Amino acid sequence: AQKVTQAQTEISVVEKEDVTLDCVYETRDTTYYLFWYKQPPSGELVFLIRRNSFDEQNEISGRYSWNFQKSTSSFNFTITASQVVDSAVYFCAQNSGGSNYKLTFGKGTLLTVNP
Amino acid sequence: NAGVTQTPKFQVLKTGQSMTLQCAQDMNHEYMSWYRQDPGMGLRLIHYSVGAGITDQGEVPNGYNVSRSTTEDFPLRLLSAAPSQTSVYFCASSLSGMRRDTQYFGPGTRLTVL
Repeated sequence: AQKVTQAQTEISVVEKEDVTLDCVYETRDTTYYLFWYKQPPSGELVFLIRRNSFDEQNEISGRYSWNFQKSTSSFNFTITASQVVDSAVYFCAQNSGGSNYKLTFGKGTLLTVNP
Repeated sequence: NAGVTQTPKFQVLKTGQSMTLQCAQDMNHEYMSWYRQDPGMGLRLIHYSVGAGITDQGEVPNGYNVSRSTTEDFPLRLLSAAPSQTSVYFCASSLSGMRRDTQYFGPGTRLTVL
């Protein structure tokens, strides 16, 4: 069975601090995809990144970076120099492939960035 | 291109009432799905569809019905609402439903059942 664990329920930082959100996944598939979504206080779900299981290169997009390590089944998300606008719930997710396609979500991490 | 749209944004029902949550997408996506979001639970899949005329159950299907008569629309029906169905409901779509496809979400419907 697929499972995604986000052990950090809530994180609070002060603006300009760096923060890392942890994500650990479980799967028996050899081919799989991992995702991060952001849910700001307004409630919508915003897609941030997709990573496939064959590409372990780190990804950087502005202040956001992602570290994918198959050896530890982790796909961690780092925000550098956090800003108040980064305050949101962040979800890590993985797919379940084959004929029963579905996205399995972690329970989310609430990030609060204080001014 | 509106993406994924959902109506209504908010709804209050009494126990036993029925209603339909609407979802539409204009991206010609084959795959559509419904999730519910409850505090501390993340998102859980209710039903999904891999194309017009094809639907299947997700993780928490009880109490919900779906149908897919067109590529664009995927309504979710509550036949007899219960307080346990109080939740935020998200509709999502992706190109084909294959594992590499990103799912894009609608703005959500906040449902309260009294």
